[in-house]
Amino acid sequence: DQQVKQNSPSLSVQEGRISILNCDYTNSMFDYFLWYKKYPAEGPTFLISISSIKDKNEDGRFTVFLNKSAKHLSLHIVPSQPGDSAVYFCAAINTDKLIFGTGTRLQVFP
Amino acid sequence: GAVVSQHPSRVICKSGTSVKIECRSLDFQATTMFWYRQFPKQSLMLMATSNEGSKATYEQGVEKDKFLINHASLTLSTLTVTSAHPEDSSFYICSAIRGRGTGNTIYFGEGSWLTVV
Repeated sequence: DQQVKQNSPSLSVQEGRISILNCDYTNSMFDYFLWYKKYPAEGPTFLISISSIKDKNEDGRFTVFLNKSAKHLSLHIVPSQPGDSAVYFCAAINTDKLIFGTGTRLQVFP
Repeated sequence: GAVVSQHPSRVICKSGTSVKIECRSLDFQATTMFWYRQFPKQSLMLMATSNEGSKATYEQGVEKDKFLINHASLTLSTLTVTSAHPEDSSFYICSAIRGRGTGNTIYFGEGSWLTVV
């Protein structure tokens, strides 16, 4: 039972444009969401988070939007850079446990 | 620098043997650590919650007798894969929580590649 889902396994975006990564969840009890970036054979690196009481959080080029009624969140990266190419995981916190989505591989090309 | 360290980063073992992976919080005490595994092109799957001084809590479908977790101190949790088989080959990652409540931060280790031959 996948409680956190990322339906797009991959995304390709041109440098300078916006990358939008989507994530859906099923458990309405989740109260905190995070986005991680991961390179092969490395641990995840935290990017940005959002509490369920907010609908938007912005940090530099990264913005996370949360739509609680739709149980949907998205990560916007603008402008996208080649160094952003990685696998992105959304995650939800449930009683201190981190539940990861399936990941989306982002490729930013020049 | 790393806040949570895993060792070894890569290990190859023979089928039937056991291998231990360590997860250390370097400058903070972690009463709770988590162990994940990732198969190629798949998500990070939570295996178990490691609790200092008590038994680990395993997720459904994870064999506790096969994946032994010991959290003997506030800075160290170990995962031992017992009687390893090729299907146990995977990328194992630990995480630790620093702080409490809304002020806490989750840190991940660098991961450990296990290859069972």
